[in-house]
Amino acid sequence: DIQMTQSPSSLSASVGDRVTITCRASQDIRNDFGWYQQKPGKAPKGLIYAASRLHSGVPSRFSGSGSGTEFTLTISSLQPEDFATYYCLQHHNYPWTFGQGTKVDIK
Amino acid sequence: QVLLVESGGGVVQPGKSLRLSCAASGFRFSSYGMHWVRQGPGKGLEWLSFMSSDGSTEFYADSVKGRFFVSRDNSRKSLSLQMNSLRGDDTAVYYCAKGDYYVDVWGQGTTVTVSS
Repeated sequence: DIQMTQSPSSLSASVGDRVTITCRASQDIRNDFGWYQQKPGKAPKGLIYAASRLHSGVPSRFSGSGSGTEFTLTISSLQPEDFATYYCLQHHNYPWTFGQGTKVDIK
Repeated sequence: QVLLVESGGGVVQPGKSLRLSCAASGFRFSSYGMHWVRQGPGKGLEWLSFMSSDGSTEFYADSVKGRFFVSRDNSRKSLSLQMNSLRGDDTAVYYCAKGDYYVDVWGQGTTVTVSS
């Protein structure tokens, strides 16, 4: 199975900060990769698919990059509604696997 | 409006069975693969199972293989998860999700608690 290692596990940031979250795959997954946001008590929401494409309706302050084994989610200017937990997901091979999550909270 | 609504969760004793359902609306259900994903209390997301649009292909996580079985009824726009031999570590919120190459729609989840 493909292992997804996400870092950091948590971070504290202020509104307006630039935030970067990284995910590393245990093998080459090309760009079969996505990022999801989850707020407490809510279902996950898709942010990025195919490593760098925004889901419909996702603000342009979110961006994704990477291919192969290294992937990055960047929030260019953190907004109050962005405080949440973020997960990466590989869909290159079954079983699909998520990263452990990154909790972004208020500094 | 694309919508997925899970049902069937509840409290069940260890070793017993439970069947979850997911009702789809707002899209051509028969054209899309569907997934089940769960989240234990205070834990991360865990992918569980996939069924292809025509029901001919299915995959499972090792943690549930041989105990959980996915099925679908395209005429009723419904996805199901039959969960057998339930254990305490199956306690979680269970989500159904739409997508073949990536997930773009999630249900709101249904809670399963395995406890004696």
